[in-house]
Amino acid sequence: GAGVSQSPSNKVTEKGKDVELRCDPISGHTALYWYRQRLGQGLEFLIYFQGNSAPDKSGLPSDRFSAERTGESVSTLTIQRTQQEDSAVYLCASSLRGLANTEAFFGQGTRLTVV
Amino acid sequence: LAKTTQPISMDSYEGQEVNITCSHNNIATNDYITWYQQFPSQGPRFIIQGYKTKVTNEVASLFIPADRKSSTLSLPRVSLSDTAVYYCLVGSGAGSYQLTFGKGTKLSVIP
Repeated sequence: GAGVSQSPSNKVTEKGKDVELRCDPISGHTALYWYRQRLGQGLEFLIYFQGNSAPDKSGLPSDRFSAERTGESVSTLTIQRTQQEDSAVYLCASSLRGLANTEAFFGQGTRLTVV
Repeated sequence: LAKTTQPISMDSYEGQEVNITCSHNNIATNDYITWYQQFPSQGPRFIIQGYKTKVTNEVASLFIPADRKSSTLSLPRVSLSDTAVYYCLVGSGAGSYQLTFGKGTKLSVIP
């Protein structure tokens, strides 16, 4: 596709339910990032995928959070037993090689509201 | 990754030049300096990147002094549509490299 696509754009869920967020990166981009952004705050790193290497999960806040990526394609971020503090915009980004001197492209995000 | 410090907020009138300075005192030899822009309800967007001296593109200029311990993003003749949060990032490498975003600078352009 022309850019990074995220779905759904908005998600309202009840506390305790599981949610799955999807990210379609730009074709050919080996690096994929997930971030969380709470209202009025900066971007909080969650997880990083680079090709077929083991993902960097150091930013995942709890074991309720997990993410998968098949090869260099779609990624899904799963939040189990959602809590109200999980309410945020979840942003996905991809870049060609995951290098510091390469541009990262962000999707529009998924706004998650836990009620 | 080198830590960055930038002002929390800035105000400017339309048509003025805006300079946002970022401090990165412990920048490493291989680190690049990258700036992103984020509008409300959107993901960040790459603006400009540099390693040393000056870089200019159609959107902005980036000034980096010889010691590279700081950098200045310059936006010429800002308009209301430049109201956004601007993030300064410093890093290098690959593999587990992360795009590490600080709190950014919230620029408000006033009519």
